[in-house]
Amino acid sequence: EPEVTQTPSHQVTQMGQEVILRCVPISNHLYFYWYRQILGQKVEFLVSFYNNEISEKSEIFDDQFSVERPDGSNFTLKIRSTKLEDSAMYFCASSGGTGGADGYTFGSGTRLTVV
Amino acid sequence: KNEVEQSPQNLTAQEGEFITINCSYSVGISALHWLQQHPGGGIVSLFMLSSGKKKHGRLIATINIQEKHSSLHITASHPRDSAVYICAVSKTSYDKVIFGPGTSLSVIP
Repeated sequence: EPEVTQTPSHQVTQMGQEVILRCVPISNHLYFYWYRQILGQKVEFLVSFYNNEISEKSEIFDDQFSVERPDGSNFTLKIRSTKLEDSAMYFCASSGGTGGADGYTFGSGTRLTVV
Repeated sequence: KNEVEQSPQNLTAQEGEFITINCSYSVGISALHWLQQHPGGGIVSLFMLSSGKKKHGRLIATINIQEKHSSLHITASHPRDSAVYICAVSKTSYDKVIFGPGTSLSVIP
């Protein structure tokens, strides 16, 4: 069964550093998403991406964050100047956009720890 | 008010019991998702449904669009079912997903 792949599974970074979280969505999906889950809290939407541009972003997704689809397969989330409160699990997801068999698929997540 | 509510928040069951987790939502949707999250954090999609009922193994998901309510049932529960079960909705098939708070299930042998 097709999977959304995220790397790394766990990343530790110093406060103030930049990190790039990587995702490989399902190959024929058209819509891509990033979510985050702070420990003990519910999953929150960050950003959606379609046709090589951001289609929607949340209040959380400020200038510190950016997304990119640098080639035909990868979808990245860059966090600049990380803060302690950026520590969370970050999930990538993709969707074919038509429901049913093209429904949402989540990656297994990247646990980001900022120290 | 949260757009997606779940009950109960926590649930402990004996192995073999029939389990029901409820979800209610306040927005118009085209799809409702049931997701499973194990300790360690990865999210697994169990169901995506827009009407009626779906069954996969011992799991059954139902949705009542008029009442804006969905239930996830687990028959013959097993300790390996212990996880957090999350209800989430999306307004269209390609829209962001709005997550509920999750129900933490513990099945005791």
